[in-house]
Amino acid sequence: DTGVSQDPRHKITKRGQNVTFRCDPISEHNRLYWYRQTLGQGPEFLTYFQNEAQLEKSRLLSDRFSAERPKGSFSTLEIQRTEQGDSAMYLCASSFLAGGTVGETQYFGPGTRLLVL
Amino acid sequence: AQKITQTQPGMFVQEKEAVTLDCTYDTSDPSYGLFWYKQPSSGEMIFLIYQGSYDQQNATEGRYSLNFQKARKSANLVISASQLGDSAMYFCAMRENNNNDMRFGAGTRLTVKP
Repeated sequence: DTGVSQDPRHKITKRGQNVTFRCDPISEHNRLYWYRQTLGQGPEFLTYFQNEAQLEKSRLLSDRFSAERPKGSFSTLEIQRTEQGDSAMYLCASSFLAGGTVGETQYFGPGTRLLVL
Repeated sequence: AQKITQTQPGMFVQEKEAVTLDCTYDTSDPSYGLFWYKQPSSGEMIFLIYQGSYDQQNATEGRYSLNFQKARKSANLVISASQLGDSAMYFCAMRENNNNDMRFGAGTRLTVKP
């Protein structure tokens, strides 16, 4: 088990450019989550997938953000027309949901640090 | 609405001593789970320990234990025999049965002194 991986680890872009991040979950995990973490804060939920279905999106996820999980394996998070306020760490987590959700443990990747100039 | 409060922005502890990191939460859902994560400077969130709201005993995982006081809505993390490698940010998080997202506190930065 190689854990959750994310690519790239760091991204610097100019305002107005599009960026795409990739997350590879732990194999056989059926749920995948995206979070955003700004400096000095805890992670904030953005969206999650169960298999290939995107089941919930936070109000933080503006129209410029889109996430996909084709075939229920890896996921991508795209930000269009980036703004300086998008600068943050983007974390991906995966879990295996077998029953109740309360005890579902999410395992996180190393994150992608985005800096928008 | 859910709310997680970590009142200690920073904590210091001497190596080999024990330290308690505070966490209080607010929920009206009778079924919920509480989690602690460690985030070193590398950025990865590392799962440490879990406590369910219906669990009768406090959770323990090696040097980590969770002091769960349901009536007070607190879930403090106790780290025993601190090591230099324990220096990191620590986040408390909660998951309600009726919500799919996990809410995190603002974190506590722990520094272990040699």
